[in-house]
Amino acid sequence: AQSVSQHNHHVILSEAASLELGCNYSYGGTVNLFWYVQYPGQHLQLLLKYFSGDPLVKGIKGFEAEFIKSKFSFNLRKPSVQWSDTAEYFCAVNARGDSNYQLIWGAGTKLIIKP
Amino acid sequence: DGGITQSPKYLFRKEGQNVTLSCEQNLNHDAMYWYRQDPGQGLRLIYYSQIVNDFQKGDIAEGYSVSREKKESFPLTVTSAQKNPTAFYLCAASPTGLGGTDTQYFGPGTRLTVL
Repeated sequence: AQSVSQHNHHVILSEAASLELGCNYSYGGTVNLFWYVQYPGQHLQLLLKYFSGDPLVKGIKGFEAEFIKSKFSFNLRKPSVQWSDTAEYFCAVNARGDSNYQLIWGAGTKLIIKP
Repeated sequence: DGGITQSPKYLFRKEGQNVTLSCEQNLNHDAMYWYRQDPGQGLRLIYYSQIVNDFQKGDIAEGYSVSREKKESFPLTVTSAQKNPTAFYLCAASPTGLGGTDTQYFGPGTRLTVL
């Protein structure tokens, strides 16, 4: 069965630090990849997604993610975080095949930015 | 104000009772989804619907039922057969539900507690 692994459940950083959140998936075929974010008190929303083309994808609020097929990874990055980036971040993957593009979600990473 | 609404925000139920969670969307999206979120875990798909009067089971459909009589509404019933119903339930919608590249738009969630 497909699975998605997010390596860190909690991350604490100071403002202006660089961020990288890991995401690895288990499926070997063609995949679509997503990062969603939930800010405190807000709905879960899309941060960025990749399904083809340039493997470096840019999203909202200065976030980017790189798809590395050989490593089955889709890590999320931001060069300089702000206090407002405090949120929970979820990686999700879907694929063709029996799952009919059902999204498989990671457990999430809670990011706290210290002002 | 467009989006997904879920009600109620908090719901308490006694063991052995069925309960229905409401989900309404005014985005005119074809596809709708119900997820369950437990602490420390990713979202897991309960049911999804790509069109009115049609729906498919997700990974954890046992003990749940849905209907899709109208495009804008996708209620979820948690039945007494669900062994561990206490959880946070999220409803989502996406434009087509086809091809796996849709962005999903989420509601605020309903927290169900079984007493």
